[in-house]
Amino acid sequence: KQEVTQIPAALSVPEGENLVLNCSFTDSAIYNLQWFRQDPGKGLTSLLLIQSSQREQTSGRLNASLDKSSGRSTLYIAASQPGDSATYLCAVLNAGGTSYGKLTFGQGTILTVHP
Amino acid sequence: GAGVSQTPSNKVTEKGKYVELRCDPISGHTALYWYRQSLGQGPEFLIYFQGTGAADDSGLPNDRFFAVRPEGSVSTLKIQRTERGDSAVYLCASSLMGWEPGSRRTEAFFGQGTRLTVV
Repeated sequence: KQEVTQIPAALSVPEGENLVLNCSFTDSAIYNLQWFRQDPGKGLTSLLLIQSSQREQTSGRLNASLDKSSGRSTLYIAASQPGDSATYLCAVLNAGGTSYGKLTFGQGTILTVHP
Repeated sequence: GAGVSQTPSNKVTEKGKYVELRCDPISGHTALYWYRQSLGQGPEFLIYFQGTGAADDSGLPNDRFFAVRPEGSVSTLKIQRTERGDSAVYLCASSLMGWEPGSRRTEAFFGQGTRLTVV
């Protein structure tokens, strides 16, 4: 069964810092990995999607990498801003086993960027 | 529509009552997912539709939960005899296809969720 873990569970940084959020998964049989942002009381907004054949994706100040063989992904946020404060979730689209076809989520990292 | 739409946004119901939660996916998206999210937790898979059929309903917690998608677009999640433990945010997502390796068709888009409170 696929399990996704995110570290750290919470992170508080001053504005302007570069930061890294980590995601690991136990089963490397995936189609893709997606990073989402969730604001309090809101739904999930897709930030980046990395196909299993890709190594990284970039969007603005965000860069996500994927090492499928080791079961790891990182989300790098450059020059953080207070508006980046939210919960960040990673999810894998499973390609095998009993989790086939499902998106499996981590527990999320709660990010607070203070002025 | 422009995005995934879920109604109602909030629902308060009494223990033992029946509720229906609705999801309108992005037009043309064949895959539809239901998830449940409790406070401080990541979304938990409930059921996945490909077209009109449930491709995987292994996440439904018990037989009080049921979901339909009769015409392959709108889906309804139905909960009978609600319990206080059913209180959570119910999220719906859609994608263009279930999955296709190497394609952006697999990107999932989520609605704003329905917050269900059972009192």
